[in-house]
Amino acid sequence: DIVVTQSLDSVAVSLGERVTINCKSSQSLLYNSNNKNYLAWYQKKPGQPPKLLFFWASTRESGVPDRFSGSGSGTDFTLTISSLQAEDVAVYYCHQYYGIPWTFGQGTKVEIK
Amino acid sequence: EVQLVDSGGGLIQPGRSLRLSCTGSGYNFGEYAVIWIRQPPGKGLEWVGLTGRKIYGEATVFAASVQGRFSISRDDSRNIAYLQMNSLRVEDTAVYYCGRARGSGWPTDYWGQGTLVTVSS
Repeated sequence: DIVVTQSLDSVAVSLGERVTINCKSSQSLLYNSNNKNYLAWYQKKPGQPPKLLFFWASTRESGVPDRFSGSGSGTDFTLTISSLQAEDVAVYYCHQYYGIPWTFGQGTKVEIK
Repeated sequence: EVQLVDSGGGLIQPGRSLRLSCTGSGYNFGEYAVIWIRQPPGKGLEWVGLTGRKIYGEATVFAASVQGRFSISRDDSRNIAYLQMNSLRVEDTAVYYCGRARGSGWPTDYWGQGTLVTVSS
């Protein structure tokens, strides 16, 4: 199984500050035939379903604010919130859909300091 | 508007069976794979399984933790998919979400609101 590990279980920053969440995969998620990384980022708030933020590591889903960005390739990926807003308080998950079984990182809880 | 509605959860005793439903609307249900994930209380997201599109033979795959106990079926004429859960265990307690994905190499882009399954005696 492909294991995806997020570097932090939680992070607390002040409003307006930058948040960086790292995700590392136990094997490359780069599909060579199309040069796409099969890595997605989701935002999860209590009582709500996961919300897709990015797919193919850096393709922003429609409607996602541009303060969010996704980057990385191969085994190392990053989700960045450039300026934390109150509505961004949530748990963020990276998710690989390269190999069966699909797997999720353990989640990173983002809070306001 | 794309919508997915999960239903069928509830309190069930260990060893019993339960069937969850996932009803899609606002898109061509048959052109998407159906994905199931779950979130145990206080824990993270766990992928459960998926069923592919009919034209690809509706291939189903499952996580090892539910393999042999859970199955997925779909009725595209009614825009509905089912997660049949047999031999339920206490550790299957979770909110279950169904979602859709365009196919291999595509992420799950929409999820239902979730349905709570509590396995307890």
